[in-house]
Amino acid sequence: DSGVTQTPKHLITATGQRVTLRCSPRSGDLSVYWYQQSLDQGLQFLIQYYNGEERAKGNILERFSAQQFPDLHSELNLSSLELGDSALYFCASSVQGDNEQFFGPGTRLTVL
Amino acid sequence: GQSLEQPSEVTAVEGAIVQINCTYQTSGFYGLSWYQQHDGGAPTFLSYNALDGLEETGRFSSFLSRSDSYGYLLLQELQMKDSASYFCAVWGSQGNLIFGKGTKLSVKP
Repeated sequence: DSGVTQTPKHLITATGQRVTLRCSPRSGDLSVYWYQQSLDQGLQFLIQYYNGEERAKGNILERFSAQQFPDLHSELNLSSLELGDSALYFCASSVQGDNEQFFGPGTRLTVL
Repeated sequence: GQSLEQPSEVTAVEGAIVQINCTYQTSGFYGLSWYQQHDGGAPTFLSYNALDGLEETGRFSSFLSRSDSYGYLLLQELQMKDSASYFCAVWGSQGNLIFGKGTKLSVKP
């Protein structure tokens, strides 16, 4: 158990819909990262937050947005969903300046 | 930009040694990391190299050559539980990790 929690574990929805994925980092970690992993693909970095502020942006679509709240939990919002958005979405957290990221169990999103 | 190349699949037998290579192209280098991911599971951190040379942690070792933009993960005394995907990753200039596509290791009895 990494100490990072993600909800829900599974999500099935339809094209065009909007969903919110939630992540709670390890206690004390200020940095939160979101990744997308499609079938047989590597981990694609989406976005990073540090202590509530956006720190880095990767290949995140305009239909996707994220935020980190004062209690440091983070949410990833995916809208106008398409079939191709079906993937595993991981959240990770780390101590700023540390080399190790701790990953949550992921949310498996299926868009039908 | 940044890119990483690693073999897509490797097969080895129990008790053997296997090396998974990774070459990278990056505009600024801040270190090479390795992560392990079992099917359906979360990636877990294995190692980090910022300087040239070999870092050993139990049965796993990681090597880096910055002049060659190359690193490898060495797994010794392979066990069935080592069957997983292994990802190399470099740190981007913004403090985020860029992952390779992963190497699927199958350990046979």
